[in-house]
Amino acid sequence: AQSVTQLGSHVSVSEGALVLLRCNYSSSVPPYLFWYVQYPNQGLQLLLKYTSAATLVKGINGFEAEFKKSETSFHLTKPSAHMSDAAEYFCAVSLGNTGKLIFGQGTTLQVKP
Amino acid sequence: AAGVIQSPRHLIKEKRETATLKCYPIPRHDTVYWYQQGPGQDPQFLISFYEKMQSDKGSIPDRFSAQQFSDYHSELNMSSLELGDSALYFCASSYPSTLLTNEQFFGPGTRLTVL
Repeated sequence: AQSVTQLGSHVSVSEGALVLLRCNYSSSVPPYLFWYVQYPNQGLQLLLKYTSAATLVKGINGFEAEFKKSETSFHLTKPSAHMSDAAEYFCAVSLGNTGKLIFGQGTTLQVKP
Repeated sequence: AAGVIQSPRHLIKEKRETATLKCYPIPRHDTVYWYQQGPGQDPQFLISFYEKMQSDKGSIPDRFSAQQFSDYHSELNMSSLELGDSALYFCASSYPSTLLTNEQFFGPGTRLTVL
């Protein structure tokens, strides 16, 4: 069965520091992987997606993620955190022919001044 | 650009009452997904529709039902509400050409509170 695991429910960084949010997946077939961001009391916004093209994926707001098959990982990074990056981040895998998403447990990113 | 519309945005109900949540997908999107996000939880897939037919089903209680109409909007009907149904309910839509890569566009959600 396909699933994703996000390591670390809370991550705290200083403004300007590197952001690293970890996601590992479990899949018997090549996965389609996604990162979504959720701001308080808002819906989910797609940051980026991996669909078996380039392994390094660039998304919005300066985020990027690298698909590493050997490590079954799809970690999200941003070189320099901004206060506005504080939010909940979800890694997700697309499952089956219908494309339903299975989400990880989420990581809350706190950015300190 | 047009986004997914959900109504109402907030809903307060008593136990054992019924609730109807509505979702209007992005124009030309014919696939709709429903997700439930409990407090501090990740979104859980409930059900999906493609071209007005149920395409997949997740952990949706038997007390809930849903359908997609001819104009592609969808409604989630919830009966005999329980306290545990209090959650944020998201609708997402996608277009067939993106189905495999499944770029889903999420609505703002309906926050249901059951008292």
